[in-house]
Amino acid sequence: TQLLEQSPQFLSIQEGENLTVYCNSSSVFSSLQWYRQEPGEGPVLLVTVVTGGEVKKLKRLTFQFGDARKDSSLHITAAQPGDTGLYLCATRDNYGQNFVFGPGTRLSVLP
Amino acid sequence: DSGVTQTPKHLITATGQRVTLRCSPRSGDLSVYWYQQSLDQGLQFLIQYYNGEERAKGNILERFSAQQFPDLHSELNLSSLELGDSALYFCASSPGASSYNEQFFGPGTRLTVL
Repeated sequence: TQLLEQSPQFLSIQEGENLTVYCNSSSVFSSLQWYRQEPGEGPVLLVTVVTGGEVKKLKRLTFQFGDARKDSSLHITAAQPGDTGLYLCATRDNYGQNFVFGPGTRLSVLP
Repeated sequence: DSGVTQTPKHLITATGQRVTLRCSPRSGDLSVYWYQQSLDQGLQFLIQYYNGEERAKGNILERFSAQQFPDLHSELNLSSLELGDSALYFCASSPGASSYNEQFFGPGTRLTVL
């Protein structure tokens, strides 16, 4: 089973700061998804990346897929309290059976 | 609101009991996924159904079973419950079966086993 690692585990920053969180695997990803989950709710998809080296932007969020497709990063510019939540990366394992989620980065943006 | 509904929202039961969790997917979605989320294990994929057929199986215990009905709603049955089964159970749906499809998650059922 493909395992996903995410770092940091926790991040607490002030409003207006920039931050980057990471998702890594020892195996190549076929594709990778980033989700955000707020307390008491289900995860919500932010982006899907498929091609090595791909960069996608969603307002203040920038997602990058590593050239070797074994890592990904999420950069948030000028963080706002509304960005607070659990950021999860996810993929389907190489056998195409198991959906695998990383342990998540819990982000807290203080006003 | 994702369009996925789950009932009940909360469930409290005792060890050894059996419960059924229900999920209605978004209109038009053929795939339904079940996940378990606990503090120590994170979000764990249990099983996927596509148009009534089992499509993929994850870390689902033998005490757990699921099915998808002709109207595409799904039920997750948990039996011989143990304290460790206490968790949030999420259902998600997507239009197709591909891993590229966006999964839309429901609000979850919080199960507490006493």
